[in-house]
Amino acid sequence: EVQLLESGGGLVQPGGSLRLSCAASGFTFSNSIMGWVRQAPGKGLEWVSSISGSGTMTYYADSVKGRFNISRDNSKSTLYLQMHSLRDEDTTIYYCVKFHLVILAFDYWGLGTLVTVSS
Amino acid sequence: DIQMTQSPSSLSASVGDRVTITCRASQSIRTYLNWYQQKPGKAPHLLIYAASSLQSGVPSRFSGSGSGTDFTLTISSLQPEDFATYFCQQSYSTPPYTFGQGTKLEIK
Repeated sequence: EVQLLESGGGLVQPGGSLRLSCAASGFTFSNSIMGWVRQAPGKGLEWVSSISGSGTMTYYADSVKGRFNISRDNSKSTLYLQMHSLRDEDTTIYYCVKFHLVILAFDYWGLGTLVTVSS
Repeated sequence: DIQMTQSPSSLSASVGDRVTITCRASQSIRTYLNWYQQKPGKAPHLLIYAASSLQSGVPSRFSGSGSGTDFTLTISSLQPEDFATYFCQQSYSTPPYTFGQGTKLEIK
């Protein structure tokens, strides 16, 4: 059974930093494109970032480019999102997602972790 | 970036109704279009990929169609568990993989 379990969310002040983690199991992590999608409370979904299986290719939404860094540790089957210079508008639920390379869709989602940026 | 526009933004319907939600892309995305369902307090999950292919385990009352810029999600006979928010998402070319703004399906 595929499982994606996020951690690391919490309250942070504007301008601060936070690192999210996503522990994956039930599939071959190193072969899978992974990513993060976020959702402000009561709002729509926003793709944030994706990373190739090897970690050599990364992509970011314009809204986070230069502030967020996605990485992975295939030996630990864990995905990370390092967030810097956090803003009020980064207050959202962050979902870890697995991207299916054949059907080109996010076929598994974690339960999400809430990041609140507030002073 | 490719923009995705869903309509309507909300919809009221009754159990047993047939409902259709539309999604329009700002440029052709061929059939690189996915649909997700999200229930309150839960993560989204994949319903349909490649515009018309049903994800494993999804009931056959759900169907998708379209290509190019115009797509539809149809629920043939609404069941109580179908009341949720639905999102379309394009996966054409490289990221960003943009989502539509969502359609909230409510009980009439």
